[in-house]
Amino acid sequence: DAEITQSPRHKITETGRQVTLACHQTWNHNNMFWYRQDLGHGLRLIHYSYGVQDTNKGEVSDGYSVSRSNTEDLPLTLESAASSQTSVYFCASSGDGWGDTQYFGPGTRLTVL
Amino acid sequence: EDKVVQSPLSLVVHEGDTVTLNCSYEVTNFRSLLWYKQEKKAPTFLFMLTSSGIEKKSGRLSSILDKKELFSILNITATQTGDSAIYLCAVEGDYGGSQGNLIFGKGTKLSVKP
Repeated sequence: DAEITQSPRHKITETGRQVTLACHQTWNHNNMFWYRQDLGHGLRLIHYSYGVQDTNKGEVSDGYSVSRSNTEDLPLTLESAASSQTSVYFCASSGDGWGDTQYFGPGTRLTVL
Repeated sequence: EDKVVQSPLSLVVHEGDTVTLNCSYEVTNFRSLLWYKQEKKAPTFLFMLTSSGIEKKSGRLSSILDKKELFSILNITATQTGDSAIYLCAVEGDYGGSQGNLIFGKGTKLSVKP
């Protein structure tokens, strides 16, 4: 069955370190998204991609980067982790059709000490 | 600025009660409104609404959209403890890409007590 996976599921790191969160989907979806979820803010869009080599900034992109070298993967990199980036991160993907819903991965809980 | 506002932010009811969750929005070039249920993991899709006045129904859950007044409601009848979750409302705008981005509300936390 097609699915969307994230790794690691839990990560603890230190301030200033570079961290990469992986997202892999086997739906063959062109569209992929990264969100963070924090208490009091709900889900907020970090970056998104509409296809290979395409990346776009979302609402809260500062301190994050993504690259899309193939259809299946959209890794999220925190260049220099900050305590404010402690959060739960969700990856999602969707097809190109109008009305295609986004399917979410299981999430990665990141703690920056 | 595009935004989605959900109310109430939290709600405690007893099994068997009926609840109504609210979602109002302001978004550029509205495309669709989606409801998700989030338990202890990733959000799972419930409904997508694109047209006013057409009720979507799935078991005890139903939802309707009013594009004139810019809001949607999610109803849950005969609530059960398994309905306890955070319910997220998201609105998709059309920004010229193959799919617009979702703007999420902060969610309504529903607790159903036995």
